[in-house]
Amino acid sequence: DTGVSQDPRHKITKRGQNVTFRCDPISEHNRLYWYRQTLGQGPEFLTYFQNEAQLEKSRLLSDRFSAERPKGSFSTLEIQRTEQGDSAMYLCASGGPTTDTQYFGPGTRLTVL
Amino acid sequence: AQTVTQSQPEMSVQEAETVTLSCTYDTSESDYYLFWYKQPPSRQMILVIRQEAYKQQNATENRFSVNFQKAAKSFSLKISDSQLGDAAMYFCAYSNYGGSQGNLIFGKGTKLSVKP
Repeated sequence: DTGVSQDPRHKITKRGQNVTFRCDPISEHNRLYWYRQTLGQGPEFLTYFQNEAQLEKSRLLSDRFSAERPKGSFSTLEIQRTEQGDSAMYLCASGGPTTDTQYFGPGTRLTVL
Repeated sequence: AQTVTQSQPEMSVQEAETVTLSCTYDTSESDYYLFWYKQPPSRQMILVIRQEAYKQQNATENRFSVNFQKAAKSFSLKISDSQLGDAAMYFCAYSNYGGSQGNLIFGKGTKLSVKP
């Protein structure tokens, strides 16, 4: 168990650029979550996968956001045409099927200039 | 929609003393799960303690315990014998399902400082 990893840890981009983040969950976990955390706030749910199926998406996930988990292992979160309001920490968590706990990764901090 | 409220943006405690962090929530569900997560500065979030709503007994994990008042929709965290390493943001969270079967709804957090 090496924990949930996220890459990159920090990303600085210019407004209008596309960015992609990667999350590698704990290997035996079949559920994967993405959250967004802005300064001074708790994490907010974005989307959830069970294996490769995207089962739930928050209304926070605008059309510029897309997430995939093609083989039920790692996941990517892409933001197209970034805006300054997208600046936040993007957290990934994994869990299940034998654990009820969500284990969080270290996050990717996105800064949009 | 479910909501979670943490009314204490910041708290401070002396090392070795006890501190209680407050959390209230709103839901129309009868079965649900509540959690306290700890987020140390620049480090990842870890689960401190969880409580199933159907269990009347309050959960405890070493120095951490909760006071779960279902009727009042209150879920406070008590940290006994506070240590310097307890300094962190603490988030209260709610889930309609077990912790990994559904998304978590978080409060805004309470920043805990521990004074030596």
